[in-house]
Amino acid sequence: DTAVSQTPKYLVTQMGNDKSIKCEQNLGHDTMYWYKQDSKKFLKIMFSYNNKELIINETVPNRFSPKSPDKAHLNLHINSLELGDSAVYFCASSQDPGQSKNEQFFGPGTRLTVL
Amino acid sequence: DQQVKQNSPSLSVQEGRISILNCDYTNSMFDYFLWYKKYPAEGPTFLISISSIKDKNEDGRFTVFLNKSAKHLSLHIVPSQPGDSAVYFCAAQETGGFKTIFGAGTRLFVKA
Repeated sequence: DTAVSQTPKYLVTQMGNDKSIKCEQNLGHDTMYWYKQDSKKFLKIMFSYNNKELIINETVPNRFSPKSPDKAHLNLHINSLELGDSAVYFCASSQDPGQSKNEQFFGPGTRLTVL
Repeated sequence: DQQVKQNSPSLSVQEGRISILNCDYTNSMFDYFLWYKKYPAEGPTFLISISSIKDKNEDGRFTVFLNKSAKHLSLHIVPSQPGDSAVYFCAAQETGGFKTIFGAGTRLFVKA
């Protein structure tokens, strides 16, 4: 039973298109995240959501719009895709970030390729 | 500006020997430090963590050491096994826990 799932696993699209990546967690966690792993393999946080509220937005272009319909889902919509958006995007979730070590559970990643 | 640095992109170790992965950080306000392990085509998985008020945490074959004065931490794996071959990410959390900053990762090869 997958804890954090993402769809699709691979996404190939043309520049200028709009695309979405879906994320769901069945762990009952209150906090969800989106990370971007670029070609240099750095894993950089993009957004943190707690109880459907945006907590962290790491100077991500407003072409990226996360949507959290409920605590179990955090979808990522990207408008007007650019070549530089090509990366692997990871969704993650965690429980009680402020209480103790914030162990995060990651999804398998979505490899986005913009042509 | 990289606040968490893993200066060794790769490390090769013989099976049964010790693997030592290093990590440096610049922000003295980090609350927790964590290590994640990542296999190809999978997401990172949590390995071990340490609070900023501790200097050592051990879990089976994995031990993390924290040297706050040097802003340095290390992950020791003893004994190393071929299944430990993966990319290891060092990560640091700011107070509140909503923001985690990752290093670039170190690829560990454990040779049988």
